[in-house]
Amino acid sequence: DTEVTQTPKHLVMGMTNKKSLKCEQHMGHRAMYWYKQKAKKPPELMFVYSYEKLSINESVPSRFSPECPNSSLLNLHLHALQPEDSALYLCASSQESVTYTQYFGPGTRLTVL
Amino acid sequence: AQTVTQSQPEMSVQEAETVTLSCTYDTSENNYYLFWYKQPPSRQMILVIRQEAYKQQNATENRFSVNFQKAAKSFSLKISDSQLGDTAMYFCAFMTGGSNYKLTFGKGTLLTVNP
Repeated sequence: DTEVTQTPKHLVMGMTNKKSLKCEQHMGHRAMYWYKQKAKKPPELMFVYSYEKLSINESVPSRFSPECPNSSLLNLHLHALQPEDSALYLCASSQESVTYTQYFGPGTRLTVL
Repeated sequence: AQTVTQSQPEMSVQEAETVTLSCTYDTSENNYYLFWYKQPPSRQMILVIRQEAYKQQNATENRFSVNFQKAAKSFSLKISDSQLGDTAMYFCAFMTGGSNYKLTFGKGTLLTVNP
């Protein structure tokens, strides 16, 4: 089973709202990732968690706040977003081993009004 | 810096024919991994195939195979017997063993399979 799930599938929010994106995997993977993807562009890495600890933050604005409550869950808390933050947000996970293959979820389509 | 170049922004192929997508990369590392991901219009990124740099044998997965030329830093994807469901954006990606799991993606090739 190589399934990564993400909720919600779609999210529309105003610039003053607070919302959260959720990602879950039950493959025993110990690394989890958030990516941002604009239309017809490759994904851009935002954050990497390894063993529930933040290991990479690609200089993402503080209005995006990641959280890894346990080894299966990854959240992305959103606050005071801008319209340019509208994008597809992808979650991925991988084993902490030499395989290094990242498996992606279906994404959350975010629209900021 | 690691870079991945996909020189074909768009390609098209007739159903049942064979098509090759090109990818080149640049790195000074010896230990690295190469990937092709597929992202259909439904948007989920799916792993197509993966190649370890230390392996000389080209990876294959059913109708998908790669031509890995390490000296030339080339990693092309061949799709045989193309099917309508192969229509998607294809991303070539690269990761070094010491990159802390950071994938470097190419800009992608939009492949359309025509009936």
